[in-house]
Amino acid sequence: AQSVAQPEDQVNVAEGNPLTVKCTYSVSGNPYLFWYVQYPNRGLQFLLKYITGDNLVKGSYGFEAEFNKSQTSFHLKKPSALVSDSALYFCAVRAPTGGGNKLTFGTGTQLKVEL
Amino acid sequence: DVKVTQSSRYLVKRTGEKVFLECVQDMDHENMFWYRQDPGLGLRLIYFSYDVKMKEKGDIPEGYSVSREKKERFSLILESASTNQTSMYLCACRQASVIYGYTFGSGTRLTVV
Repeated sequence: AQSVAQPEDQVNVAEGNPLTVKCTYSVSGNPYLFWYVQYPNRGLQFLLKYITGDNLVKGSYGFEAEFNKSQTSFHLKKPSALVSDSALYFCAVRAPTGGGNKLTFGTGTQLKVEL
Repeated sequence: DVKVTQSSRYLVKRTGEKVFLECVQDMDHENMFWYRQDPGLGLRLIYFSYDVKMKEKGDIPEGYSVSREKKERFSLILESASTNQTSMYLCACRQASVIYGYTFGSGTRLTVV
């Protein structure tokens, strides 16, 4: 079975500082990994994904994530946080085969960026 | 860009009512999904469909059914709504290849009283 853990319910960071939102996963085989963002009362928006290739993936709004196979992690990062980045962030994983054709999501991390 | 439209943003229904949540996508995507989102639990898959008239149970299908009569439309049905089905419901679609991510609708916040 595939699973995702987001160990922090909330992350607080000051505007202009770097931010990290953590994600670890468990899956058979090489994972497909995704990050999504959700603003209040909205659906999820795709940020970035890792399928294969370079371990550092760049996505929308200046976000990036680093795939670390040995640590089974896919942490989301941004060099300089903005107040407008405040939102709920979800990590998701699926196996390249099997897995029922579905993504498994983490429980989400609330990011709060303060002035 | 793919657009996924959920017919209602907010719904209030009574216990025991039959509830229909509608989802329509404007691209020719094969796969469609229904999730519910609850605080602290993240997104949990209810049902998905990879083709017209095809459906598969997700992780929490009890109390729900689905219908996919046309490729663009995927309906979630609560046969007899209960208060523990109060939640945010999210529809998503995806192209056939698994390398693609999902496109989500804006969600329907259902309250069962």
